[in-house]
Amino acid sequence: SAVISQKPSRDICQRGTSLTIQCQVDSQVTMMFWYRQQPGQSLTLIATANQGSEATYESGFVIDKFPISRPNLTFSTLTVSNMSPEDSSIYLCSAAGGANYEQYFGPGTRLTVT
Amino acid sequence: ELKVEQNPLFLSMQEGKNYTIYCNYSTTSDRLYWYRQDPGKSLESLFVLLSNGAVKQEGRLMASLDTKARLSTLHITAAVHDLSATYFCAVDRRGSQGNLIFGKGTKLSVKP
Repeated sequence: SAVISQKPSRDICQRGTSLTIQCQVDSQVTMMFWYRQQPGQSLTLIATANQGSEATYESGFVIDKFPISRPNLTFSTLTVSNMSPEDSSIYLCSAAGGANYEQYFGPGTRLTVT
Repeated sequence: ELKVEQNPLFLSMQEGKNYTIYCNYSTTSDRLYWYRQDPGKSLESLFVLLSNGAVKQEGRLMASLDTKARLSTLHITAAVHDLSATYFCAVDRRGSQGNLIFGKGTKLSVKP
């Protein structure tokens, strides 16, 4: 199985600022993803983080708002830009690609925008 | 568009009772996942179901998959308080591993 860590675990940010969330996987994985979980809600896929190329964004999410990097097979970052209170959510990193088709999630980053 | 529906969304059970959570999805998919989430925590992988008729069991939880009916069930046997959590099912978009569409989750509360 893969162990995923995220930093920071939580943050309180002011409107209009940006926050970069880091995700580290303890083993090489084929695929990494970023999900959002709004308070009391289910999870929604933001984008697939592609190594060495631009991320693939889901409908409703754009690169200018959520720039993503993935410089290697074990690390990715998600930036939440020009934040507003509506961005207050838990952001989760996920990794997949093993032979057993398991998909693992990081502990999440709880973001509050004031 | 792939949609995933769970029911019930809320479930209050007594210890020792059995119950089933249902997960329906709208289009063909390759894989179905069940996760558990405790309050303030991340998702814990419970089961990955890969083929029609697949059945997996772990402790008091058993999951099954009927791809023809596009239905998965999570059966709880003799519930205990420790099973109180939110349970999510999720489906892979066909041909795209890891690109999961989640149901809304079932919040399970097991009372003594």
